[in-house]
Amino acid sequence: DAKTTQPTSMDCAEGRAANLPCNHSTISGNEYVYWYRQIHSQGPQYIIHGLKNNETNEMASLIITEDRKSSTLILPHATLRDTAVYYCIASYAGNNRKLIWGLGTSLAVNP
Amino acid sequence: EAEVAQSPRYKITEKSQAVAFWCDPISGHATLYWYRQILGQGPELLVQFQDESVVDDSQLPKDRFSAERLKGVDSTLKIQPAELGDSAMYLCASSLGLAGRTDTQYFGPGTRLTVL
Repeated sequence: DAKTTQPTSMDCAEGRAANLPCNHSTISGNEYVYWYRQIHSQGPQYIIHGLKNNETNEMASLIITEDRKSSTLILPHATLRDTAVYYCIASYAGNNRKLIWGLGTSLAVNP
Repeated sequence: EAEVAQSPRYKITEKSQAVAFWCDPISGHATLYWYRQILGQGPELLVQFQDESVVDDSQLPKDRFSAERLKGVDSTLKIQPAELGDSAMYLCASSLGLAGRTDTQYFGPGTRLTVL
């Protein structure tokens, strides 16, 4: 599975968009990009995943560059409850594929 | 919304004692995962089940850790004897287990283990 690189920490003002970058320059053509977040002392929460096209759901949008070497998770209107560690993971589809977790980005949403 | 259940939420034990954690996956999910997360790090996979069979336990310290999923539904992770370095969050996750498809993992709240 491809390695991902994320900034250690970021800040965002409440109500503004939070844009979290992720580099995955060695990603292969059939590896998906997954995003999870983990609020302090809770289990990780699935946010979104994508392969080539941009994706949007009720939680966030995922923008993947055309060369697939990087992506950005967008929280359109960050709230204090979005303060968490955000993990970007590259993984093949299907079962029996483990997720390799890095250190993630610690996002602080400030009032 | 269906959730992964774990118990206990917190466990404090002394070293050399035995501890056990329980996980009930989302109904219908064939794949079950146990992860260990040390404070400040990302989760690390310990063992993965497909139904009742182990498909990956390469990172499970088998001298002291054991895991079972006898009927292919709920699962138990045991540590015997516990060591100070086992203090961590133990996370259970489940997924549908569809071959060749994206297979999103959903996590439970975790069990926080403290070994004294």
